[in-house]
Amino acid sequence: GENVEQHPSTLSVQEGDSAVIKCTYSDSASNYFPWYKQELGKGPQLIIDIRSNVGEKKDQRIAVTLNKTAKHFSLHITETQPEDSAVYFCAARTGGTSYGKLTFGQGTILTVHP
Amino acid sequence: DGGITQSPKYLFRKEGQNVTLSCEQNLNHDAMYWYRQDPGQGLRLIYYSQIVNDFQKGDIAEGYSVSREKKESFPLTVTSAQKNPTAFYLCASQPARRGQETQYFGPGTRLLVL
Repeated sequence: GENVEQHPSTLSVQEGDSAVIKCTYSDSASNYFPWYKQELGKGPQLIIDIRSNVGEKKDQRIAVTLNKTAKHFSLHITETQPEDSAVYFCAARTGGTSYGKLTFGQGTILTVHP
Repeated sequence: DGGITQSPKYLFRKEGQNVTLSCEQNLNHDAMYWYRQDPGQGLRLIYYSQIVNDFQKGDIAEGYSVSREKKESFPLTVTSAQKNPTAFYLCASQPARRGQETQYFGPGTRLLVL
């Protein structure tokens, strides 16, 4: 089955700096890669996603890049703000339909210092 | 958290007791999922259901059971066979439309063993 590795497990940055979180996946058939943000005691919320036919996607301060050959994808947050502090999870979906199982990475605790 | 509600927020289980976690959605989504989250780990899939009266085991189904009698409801029972039930349980739902791959999460239920 699919295996997703996420690094780093913790990341500390100063406000205004950039933050990068990286994930690798094992199944070359995976075709959908979402990123979720989880605040303490709450459920995860989707912040950005990318499909395997796209190499990069941006949404304001957030971007995701995908390298299918190397089987890794990354989350980039620019101009970080204290409210970006949370746990971030990557995931990969394998399957030909929209319902393929999501396999999650272990999570990254991001702390943005004012 | 959208239109997904989970109750209760906290649940205490005694030894040998079965407990049921509620998940309700008013988003008219066909697919629903249950995940377990342990500290420092990613989300792991317990069960999922794509349509009413049908459900599939995920990666860690042992000690759990589900039902899907109504489209909007997907309750999870943690049975006495689950020896380590202390965790944060998350329910999610997803539309059936092609290309609608986002899973939306509820606020979660924290289960503690007395």
